[in-house]
Amino acid sequence: AIRMTQSPSSLSASTGDRVTITCRASQGISSYLAWYQQKPGNAPKLLIYAASTLQSGVPSRFSGSGSGTDFTLTISCLQSEDFATFYCQQYFSYPPTFGGGTKVGIK
Amino acid sequence: EVQLVESGGGLVQPGGSLRLSCAASGLTFSDYWLTWVRQVPGKGLEWVANIKQDGSEKYYVDSVKGRFTISRDNAKNSLHLQMNSLRAEDTAVYYCARHEQREAFDIWGQGTMVTVSS
Repeated sequence: AIRMTQSPSSLSASTGDRVTITCRASQGISSYLAWYQQKPGNAPKLLIYAASTLQSGVPSRFSGSGSGTDFTLTISCLQSEDFATFYCQQYFSYPPTFGGGTKVGIK
Repeated sequence: EVQLVESGGGLVQPGGSLRLSCAASGLTFSDYWLTWVRQVPGKGLEWVANIKQDGSEKYYVDSVKGRFTISRDNAKNSLHLQMNSLRAEDTAVYYCARHEQREAFDIWGQGTMVTVSS
């Protein structure tokens, strides 16, 4: 199985900050990568697919980049509603696998 | 509104069985692959199984092969996960989600909790 490694596992930030989360695949996955946001008690929500395509309805402060093995999720100006845990996921090959998550907390 | 609603979770003893269901509304059910993802409370996400639109292809994570069976009823807009020989490590919230072939999971249900304990 392809292993997805996220870093950092947690971070503290303030509203208005620029936040960057990285995700590395153990082998090349082209652009078959998604990012999800999950708030406590809720299901994950798709933010970005195909590494850089914003899901409909997701604010433009979220962006994704990368291909192959290295990927980045950027939140350009952190808002109060963005405090959550973020997961990357590869869907290049079976089984689909998720990163361990990055918890974005309030500084 | 597109909606997926899981049901069937609960407390079961090790070695027991449970059948989860996922009811869909607001979408053409038979157009999509459907998947089950689980999450141990406080931990990360693990894909469990998925099924093609017509049920002709099914895939499972190794840890559930031979114990879990995914199925769907397109006439009733429902997805199921039959879980047998349950183990403590199967304890998790189970989510259903839809996707297209080799695509991200764009709609998720709210989840149903499965607890395997004596």
